[in-house]
Amino acid sequence: EPEVTQTPSHQVTQMGQEVILRCVPISNHLYFYWYRQILGQKVEFLVSFYNNEISEKSEIFDDQFSVERPDGSNFTLKIRSTKLEDSAMYFCASSEEGWNTDTQYFGPGTRLTVL
Amino acid sequence: GIQVEQSPPDLILQEGANSTLRCNFSDSVNNLQWFHQNPWGQLINLFYIPSGTKQNGRLSATTVATERYSLLYISSSQTTDSGVYFCAGLTGGGNKLTFGTGTQLKVEL
Repeated sequence: EPEVTQTPSHQVTQMGQEVILRCVPISNHLYFYWYRQILGQKVEFLVSFYNNEISEKSEIFDDQFSVERPDGSNFTLKIRSTKLEDSAMYFCASSEEGWNTDTQYFGPGTRLTVL
Repeated sequence: GIQVEQSPPDLILQEGANSTLRCNFSDSVNNLQWFHQNPWGQLINLFYIPSGTKQNGRLSATTVATERYSLLYISSSQTTDSGVYFCAGLTGGGNKLTFGTGTQLKVEL
């Protein structure tokens, strides 16, 4: 069964450094998402992406964050200058179409630790 | 935006027991999904169920959209069922899933 994959599984970085989290969505999917989960808390929406542009973003997704689909298979989340509070599990998700009735499939996550 | 509440927050079961987890949402939803987060942090899709009933092995789910709640049933629980169960809903014209705070389930031998 096709699945969303993410790399790396765990990333440790120093405060102020840039990080790029990578995702390969399911191949025929058109909508892509990033969510995050701070340890012990619920999962929160960051951004959705369709047709090479952001379709929706949350208040968390400030100028420090950016997303890109650099080629036909990868979808990336960049954090420009990491802060301690960016430490979280980051989940990528994809859906076949953009309809809000469509199932979102989640990847296994990247655990980001900012020191 | 939509509010999603889950109950109970914590649950301890003996292996073989049955359980029911509940998800209430503040508005009608176009999308309702149940997830299991395993001890490694991975989110596993269980059900896409904006209305009606579905079953998958020992798990089943029912959503009563008109009354704005969904139930997840776990029968004959096993230790591998341990983890956090989240429901997430989506309403309106966007694509943002709003997650509940989860039910932490521990199944003991």
